[in-house]
Amino acid sequence: SQTIHQWPATLVQPVGSPLSLECTVEGTSNPNLYWYRQAAGRGLQLLFYSVGIGQISSEVPQNLSASRPQDRQFILSSKKLLLSDSGFYLCACDESYEQYFGPGTRLTVT
Amino acid sequence: DAKTTQPNSMESNEEEPVHLPCNHSTISGTDYIHWYRQLPSQGPEYVIHGLTSNVNNRMASLAIAEDRKSSTLILHRATLRDAAVYYCILRDYGGYQKVTFGIGTKLQVIP
Repeated sequence: SQTIHQWPATLVQPVGSPLSLECTVEGTSNPNLYWYRQAAGRGLQLLFYSVGIGQISSEVPQNLSASRPQDRQFILSSKKLLLSDSGFYLCACDESYEQYFGPGTRLTVT
Repeated sequence: DAKTTQPNSMESNEEEPVHLPCNHSTISGTDYIHWYRQLPSQGPEYVIHGLTSNVNNRMASLAIAEDRKSSTLILHRATLRDAAVYYCILRDYGGYQKVTFGIGTKLQVIP
């Protein structure tokens, strides 16, 4: 089975600062990759998904963007963070009928 | 996407069975029913899935109604480690599979 790495684990950033969160996957090739965000006490919100290198689909229009420069690398970015960007960011990939999740990055925008 | 409805929270005593319900009245014929759980400060993890027949694995059992409009996740003996948010979701299999997670059911296990 695959392993998903995310970093950093926690991050505190001021409003207006840029953001870059990285996700890498081991143990599989050409996976479907996903970025989710979970606000405090809320469910998971799908932000982006990718079915291959350079192929990104956005589910929610906002100030975030995603890129997939390599098969097993998925990056979430922002040029200017908002307070509402605070949350728990999770990277996930599909393996057969299961969706595997990474350990997550907890982002606090101050 | 077909949606699911779950109670916001449930309580169970330790070592007793837990039945977590899920309604999915708009399920399509090709939707599989999946359950995930999320422990505090962790990503969700897969628990079980099924299409029409009841399913068992080492973690839980899944009972699916005959009309498939509802299902129940069964934890046979709740432990404190089962305290988590449980999500019931529907997934069709045809290429990219968008998954919609609701709020889920927060299960509290009482010692």
